[in-house]
Amino acid sequence: EIVLTQSPGTLSLSPGERATLSCRASQSLSSNSLAWYQQRRGQAPRLLIFGASSRATGIPDRFSGSGSGTDFTLTISRLEPEDFAVYYCQQYGTSLTFGGGTKVEIK
Amino acid sequence: QVQLVESGGGVVQPGMSLRLSCAASGFAFSTYGMHWVRQVPGKGLEWVAVLWYDGSGENYADSVKGRFTISRDNSKKTLFLQMNSLRVEDTAVYYCARDFYGGANFFDSWGQGSLVIVSS
Repeated sequence: EIVLTQSPGTLSLSPGERATLSCRASQSLSSNSLAWYQQRRGQAPRLLIFGASSRATGIPDRFSGSGSGTDFTLTISRLEPEDFAVYYCQQYGTSLTFGGGTKVEIK
Repeated sequence: QVQLVESGGGVVQPGMSLRLSCAASGFAFSTYGMHWVRQVPGKGLEWVAVLWYDGSGENYADSVKGRFTISRDNSKKTLFLQMNSLRVEDTAVYYCARDFYGGANFFDSWGQGSLVIVSS
């Protein structure tokens, strides 16, 4: 099973700041088969990024994904109030597994 | 717009059974693979099962294999999860989720979730 490790566990930032979230896979992901989701409190997850760097429909361009192989990054260029949430990465190259999540909280 | 609405959750004792439903609307249900994903309240996400668009193939997480069965009725645009021999560790919010496209294995639409509590 491919294990995804997200870091940091919690990120404390202010609105307008840049957020950088990491997702590391225990083995290389084929075809950069990595997605990112946002989950606001009390809501279902929402797809942000797939294929490591492609934004899903309707996702603002302040969200960007990058990386390949085993190391992937989600960047939020300037945090808006609605961006404070938990973020999960998910690999779909070999079965499906999720990372443990990174909480982005208001500093 | 795409809408997924789960139902059937509740409180059951260990060893009992429960059947979840997910009613789909706003898209061509019969052309999409569908998944169940669960989340222990306050914890992370765990993929549970997938069923291909035509019901011809399915797959399960090891943690539920042999106990849970995913099925669908394309004429009624409904996805099901039959959960047998429930354990305390199956307690979670269960989400149905649409596959991005056939076989992609990531999720572009999610329901609001149905809470299952397994407790004696």
